[in-house]
Amino acid sequence: LAKTTQPISMDSYEGQEVNITCSHNNIATNDYITWYQQFPSQGPRFIIQGYKTKVTNEVASLFIPADRKSSTLSLPRVSLSDTAVYYCLVGDDRFQKLVFGTGTRLLVSP
Amino acid sequence: SAVISQKPSRDICQRGTSLTIQCQVDSQVTMMFWYRQQPGQSLTLIATANQGSEATYESGFVIDKFPISRPNLTFSTLTVSNMSPEDSSIYLCSVVQERIQYFGAGTRLSVL
Repeated sequence: LAKTTQPISMDSYEGQEVNITCSHNNIATNDYITWYQQFPSQGPRFIIQGYKTKVTNEVASLFIPADRKSSTLSLPRVSLSDTAVYYCLVGDDRFQKLVFGTGTRLLVSP
Repeated sequence: SAVISQKPSRDICQRGTSLTIQCQVDSQVTMMFWYRQQPGQSLTLIATANQGSEATYESGFVIDKFPISRPNLTFSTLTVSNMSPEDSSIYLCSVVQERIQYFGAGTRLSVL
């Protein structure tokens, strides 16, 4: 069971790039890394998923080093609407024993 | 992506009563999950509900308190039984589709 560790909170300003790192030292060979975003009064929403190296989509990039013991979610040019809690989740295709960590509360200011 | 509808969206209940939360998905899915989220906290997995088998409960959650039904591949219910104020929380349904979890908006429960 891969436990994840993230910073509790981060502050940024509009237009800046934000990088949130997640540590998952005991990640297993079959595990994927997935990031979710959650706004108040809503369920978490999928942002991006990766297994190794770099993945990019229209909203974020995910950097995973070769040892896969950590991952970094990169949000380019954040806006006020990116203020949310971001969760890193590690799990395999069987989705057994999924454990959400504390998440990172990102506050974007003008 | 899967679209999940949860009902009710919120409720206020008296202690000692029970509430059944419904989760409807717009497509057939094998795996469904029920989570609890205390205000300002992370999500805690209550149980995994696969169609055709008994739900699997996580440590600290028992079937008598949180009975789950999964009658088909698009629907599940979670009942919070004999409620106490400690059960006040947000309850979320989640499904997996192509390695991605999708979540409902949640049911905000307050127990008086």
